[in-house]
Amino acid sequence: TQLLEQSPQFLSIQEGENLTVYCNSSSVFSSLQWYRQEPGEGPVLLVTVVTGGEVKKLKRLTFQFGDARKDSSLHITAAQPGDTGLYLCAGEVGDYKLSFGAGTTVTVRA
Amino acid sequence: NAGVMQNPRHLVRRRGQEARLRCSPMKGHSHVYWYRQLPEEGLKFMVYLQKENIIDESGMPKERFSAEFPKEGPSILRIQQVVRGDSAAYFCASSPPSTGNTIYFGEGSWLTVV
Repeated sequence: TQLLEQSPQFLSIQEGENLTVYCNSSSVFSSLQWYRQEPGEGPVLLVTVVTGGEVKKLKRLTFQFGDARKDSSLHITAAQPGDTGLYLCAGEVGDYKLSFGAGTTVTVRA
Repeated sequence: NAGVMQNPRHLVRRRGQEARLRCSPMKGHSHVYWYRQLPEEGLKFMVYLQKENIIDESGMPKERFSAEFPKEGPSILRIQQVVRGDSAAYFCASSPPSTGNTIYFGEGSWLTVV
């Protein structure tokens, strides 16, 4: 059973379109992290959100942490083929353990 | 994730053999974590080690799996008598001594059991 549920599981869009990926849980997290993973590689940290209601922007990527610190979303504006990858959210459980969602596979077609 | 070195990157073992996966943390990092990723599943925590100590092994299968992080040398994840279900990507991550710091993942070791 996943502590964090990600949706959708797969997302295929055309270059230039926008997309949103969701990460939901019934548990409260002290922080939540978003990673991107490419085939055959390890996860690379994109952002950490800590405060309920927090919004962070990283170029065309916007991350939001829910007010209750149970959910988060990742929005990509004007997606590019380079955004293709597996997007993983992970909630911090205790001081060091991360609980990961199963991920959303994003494909951006040129 | 540059700096956390894992080897081998790919390993093929026959059922019943042993698999040893190595991880050298980033320079200055004394905390090491191992995660396992099965197809279409998220990464699952396995074990957290500091130099010469296992801090939390709650995610490790109770049999056949062991981990160590000696005073000198890399951390080792050892799987004895491998079975097909052990086929997965195994990721190591490291962090500096303080808690609450970001952890950095290596590029993974892909184990295939045939």
